[in-house]
Amino acid sequence: DVKVTQSSRYLVKRTGEKVFLECVQDMDHENMFWYRQDPGLGLRLIYFSYDVKMKEKGDIPEGYSVSREKKERFSLILESASTNQTSMYLCASSLWVSGGEQFFGPGTRLTVL
Amino acid sequence: QQQVKQSPQSLIVQKGGISIINCAYENTAFDYFPWYQQFPGKGPALLIAIRPDVSEKKEGRFTISFNKSAKQFSLHIMDSQPGDSATYFCAASKSGGSNYKLTFGKGTLLTVNP
Repeated sequence: DVKVTQSSRYLVKRTGEKVFLECVQDMDHENMFWYRQDPGLGLRLIYFSYDVKMKEKGDIPEGYSVSREKKERFSLILESASTNQTSMYLCASSLWVSGGEQFFGPGTRLTVL
Repeated sequence: QQQVKQSPQSLIVQKGGISIINCAYENTAFDYFPWYQQFPGKGPALLIAIRPDVSEKKEGRFTISFNKSAKQFSLHIMDSQPGDSATYFCAASKSGGSNYKLTFGKGTLLTVNP
């Protein structure tokens, strides 16, 4: 079974802190994604990566950056956390095929105080 | 710009009833339409998907109906069960370029009462 794991289920940080969210997949997938999920807004794509060291902005990249140094690991970085970044963060991965199924991790609920 | 519009936002159905969730898209280049199911505390998981070369796809109690001319697709859950209570997301993507990137609807919270 494909497994996507995220480093934390719950995280509480203070405004201005630098926050790292880690995601690891074990199926050798080329593509990895970071979404945030907010009530009534669905899933919004923050960043994605189609190869090691490659990244592209999604729909809401402001305030975030990413890092992909190894194929299996994709990190989301909040350079200076703000209260409006309180949200559920979901990581996903997929194969390099058109319409490839995305496999999601369980999510990290981040609260910024 | 919302490229995939999903309705209703929430839905309550009695056990044994039919649940219907609708989605409409704007980009005619979209050629892959999956539905994801998300239970509380879990990430979304692929439920069923369709490509526009067919008008309907059925997997067990779940059916996708696709209307290319109207740019609409819908999920039908027959004989709905309390275990189907979850949030459902439709999505769409296109081949070529960023062909692995999905655009999601805002989700429908389905509650099936026993």
